[in-house]
Amino acid sequence: AAGVIQSPRHLIKEKRETATLKCYPIPRHDTVYWYQQGPGQDPQFLISFYEKMQSDKGSIPDRFSAQQFSDYHSELNMSSLELGDSALYFCASSRRQGATGNTIYFGEGSWLTVV
Amino acid sequence: AQKVTQAQTEISVVEKEDVTLDCVYETRDTTYYLFWYKQPPSGELVFLIRRNSFDEQNEISGRYSWNFQKSTSSFNFTITASQVVDSAVYFCALSSAAGNKLTFGGGTRVLVKP
Repeated sequence: AAGVIQSPRHLIKEKRETATLKCYPIPRHDTVYWYQQGPGQDPQFLISFYEKMQSDKGSIPDRFSAQQFSDYHSELNMSSLELGDSALYFCASSRRQGATGNTIYFGEGSWLTVV
Repeated sequence: AQKVTQAQTEISVVEKEDVTLDCVYETRDTTYYLFWYKQPPSGELVFLIRRNSFDEQNEISGRYSWNFQKSTSSFNFTITASQVVDSAVYFCALSSAAGNKLTFGGGTRVLVKP
C-alpha cells in the first residue's frame, strides 16, 4: 500500500539558510499534518491542512510556513534557520471518513541538521 | 487541554518476556481516539493500533494486545513474547476527533535483549 512520501530524507543547512521539505500524502487522504521531533523528545504538532486549507496551528515558529497544493502535496518552508531547528520533521496524513477514519499515518521523516 | 502520560521512560526485558506499556490520558472530550506508535532506531513512526473512545472492547492482534479502561483513563499496550526487533520507542497518542492533531506521550523506550 502507498505510504506518506517525504523528501528529502536528510539535509544539512547552515544557520540563516532556508530549507524546504516536501510531503506527498497517501492517495485520497484529505488531511496533512507536520510534526517536529527534537532529539529524545516526542513529536510536536506544527500545522495541519484539510482539503488544502489550513485547519490547525501548533507551535510553529513564525519563520516557518507551510501550504498544501492542488495535487494535495504539502511543503514546509523554514527560513532563517537556527541550530535549534535541527530535528526530525514528519509529515502525516489521514482521511476523516471510512473504516480507517482518523488513523494518522506518518512518513519516514526528514532529518534536518543545521550547522 | 489534552495530556498523555507514559510514566515508564525505559523498559528492559529478555527476549520472549512479555512487555506492558502504560499510558494514561486526560481529555474533556466525550469522543476521542487513542493510538500506539512504534519508533525504531531508524526513526520512522509506525502506526500500531487505534481505539475509539466509544469502543472499550479489548483485542489481540498477533503479539500485540491492548487494555482500554475508560474509567481510569488508561490505554495500556502489551507485547507478548517479545523479540529483539521490538526494541524501539513506543508512543501513546490522543486525538480529539477525526482530522485533529495528535497529542503524544513522552514515549517509552523498550530494549529487548537476546
